[in-house]
Amino acid sequence: EIVMTQSPATLSVSPGEGATLSCRASQSVSSNLAWYKHKPGQAPRLLIYGASTRATDIPARFSGSGSGTEFTLSISSLQSEDFAVYYCQHYSNWPLTFGGGTKVEIK
Amino acid sequence: QLQLQESGPGLVKPSETLSLTCTVSGGPISTSSCYWGWIRQPPGKGLEWIGTVYYTGTTFYNPSLKSRVTISVDTSKNQFSLKLRSMTAVDTAVYYCVRHPYDTGGPFDYWGQGTLVTVSS
Repeated sequence: EIVMTQSPATLSVSPGEGATLSCRASQSVSSNLAWYKHKPGQAPRLLIYGASTRATDIPARFSGSGSGTEFTLSISSLQSEDFAVYYCQHYSNWPLTFGGGTKVEIK
Repeated sequence: QLQLQESGPGLVKPSETLSLTCTVSGGPISTSSCYWGWIRQPPGKGLEWIGTVYYTGTTFYNPSLKSRVTISVDTSKNQFSLKLRSMTAVDTAVYYCVRHPYDTGGPFDYWGQGTLVTVSS
């Protein structure tokens, strides 16, 4: 099983600032990596797949990078709706696993 | 627009079996391009993939739950279902049904709204 590790666990950011979230895989997942945003009371929403491709209707301020075992989600100029928990997930093989999440909170 | 909707009991007694159904609307479940799966989130914790089914009935399960889980598909009703046996308090969670592409195995691009299942006597 591939273990996904996210850091930091919590990130305090002021509105308008940028944020960088990290995700590490215990073995290579190539580019089979997705990022999700999860707000309380809502279903998670797919942001990025293929490590760097934005999903439908996702704003350009979200960008993903990396391959192999190291990945980054960058959010430029955080808006109020961006404060949430973010998860990475690999789909390189079975079982599919998620990272533990990074909470982006208002500073 | 594809939509997924979970249905089932919100309360299950310890040792009993949870049965949830996901109804898919806006597209056929019997498509060769998609998998259908279940994910859960215990209160205050992260997301956990439970398992996935293809329209042919082929299944893939999380090893940590494999001994207790059965996922099946009913193409005539455009539904797929989850059964989780021997429920305990640690199985209390919001359960989501999801869709993901067959060609890559992921990611989860459509989600149901989620249903909270509480295990309590």
